[in-house]
Amino acid sequence: DQQVKQNSPSLSVQEGRISILNCDYTNSMFDYFLWYKKYPAEGPTFLISISSIKDKNEDGRFTVFLNKSAKHLSLHIVPSQPGDSAVYFCAASLSGTYKYIFGTGTRLKVLA
Amino acid sequence: DSGVTQTPKHLITATGQRVTLRCSPRSGDLSVYWYQQSLDQGLQFLIQYYNGEERAKGNILERFSAQQFPDLHSELNLSSLELGDSALYFCASSATPGQTYEQYFGPGTRLTVT
Repeated sequence: DQQVKQNSPSLSVQEGRISILNCDYTNSMFDYFLWYKKYPAEGPTFLISISSIKDKNEDGRFTVFLNKSAKHLSLHIVPSQPGDSAVYFCAASLSGTYKYIFGTGTRLKVLA
Repeated sequence: DSGVTQTPKHLITATGQRVTLRCSPRSGDLSVYWYQQSLDQGLQFLIQYYNGEERAKGNILERFSAQQFPDLHSELNLSSLELGDSALYFCASSATPGQTYEQYFGPGTRLTVT
């Protein structure tokens, strides 16, 4: 049972435009969400996070939106740059469990 | 560079064998996590240690075991290896075991079982 789903395995966006990566989860008890970026031959790198008490968190070009009623979060990258081309994973966590549940990732390609 | 080191980088072994993967966390981090990433799969949480003690367990097979040593480095032992165990194994560390601290990942160990 995949509790965290990233239904788009890949996404291509033109440089300068907005990239929107989506993530759905099934467990309404999850209360902390993170996005990681992964380049080939490297480990995932933390990008941005959001607590369930918020619906938006922004860090530079990256914004994460959380819609708790829809059990959906999204990562917006504006403007997209070729260096953003990577695999993006969303992850969810439940207080006290010390576990992160990761999605299967979305491969973003930003075209120059 | 995340500060988390993993050795070896690549490992090729035969079915039925046993291997040990090693991880050194970032300086000062007490928590270590192990993940498995199979082809086209997400990161599957295996196990977490905090300051030498097992804190959480995920989808870890009985053939797999781990430990964290007093110097905080960790080892993941995989035995009776099967072809399906071929995957990338990542170690991550964090300052505390709480979910409000992000994890820092090592570069991974690619295990190939032939």
